Amino acid sequence: DAKTTQPPSMDCAEGRAANLPCNHSTISGNEYVYWYRQIHSQGPQYIIHGLKNNETNEMASLIITEDRKSSTLILPHATLRDTAVYYCIVRTISSGSARQLTFGSGTQLTVLP
Amino acid sequence: KAGVTQTPRYLIKTRGQQVTLSCSPISGHRSVSWYQQTPGQGLQFLFEYFSETQRNKGNFPGRFSGRQFSNSRSEMNVSTLELGDSALYLCASSLDGQGRTEAFFGQGTRLTVV
Repeated sequence: DAKTTQPPSMDCAEGRAANLPCNHSTISGNEYVYWYRQIHSQGPQYIIHGLKNNETNEMASLIITEDRKSSTLILPHATLRDTAVYYCIVRTISSGSARQLTFGSGTQLTVLP
Repeated sequence: KAGVTQTPRYLIKTRGQQVTLSCSPISGHRSVSWYQQTPGQGLQFLFEYFSETQRNKGNFPGRFSGRQFSNSRSEMNVSTLELGDSALYLCASSLDGQGRTEAFFGQGTRLTVV
């Protein structure tokens, strides 16, 4: 699976949009971009995933650049409960190794009151 | 519906002992994966089971083993515990086990080896 690069930490004011970047310059055509988050000492929580089109769900939006080398997770109105480590993961869904998630260091997002 | 359930939530063991952790996946999910999380190494994949068969294994010593039952519940066992095995052990279940659907994680079992 392609390697991802994320900033180690970010701050965001409560009520504002949080934009979390992820670089995946070596992503291949059949690899999806997944986002998970982990609130302190809990299990990771799935947020959203996409291949090349922008995606939106009740939690967040995922913007993938046209060349697919980077993406941005957007939390439109961040709350204090969104404080967590956010992981960007790229994975294929067509091979045995796709069954595992390879977590990097993630971005520690702190939402400030 | 109920989420992924891991038991026990906390465990303290002594070096040299063995331990068994349990994971009940979401109803209908047939794939169960296990991960170890430590401050130094982060989240690392241990192994994955589907229909009682181990299909994928991470880079861990043979002291770490697991199994899956016909009802998809899974257990992982660590023998001859070492201090470095202290970690949060996470279980994740998914519907089809092919990576097409997202994985749902349990709250984890916090193992402390003293």
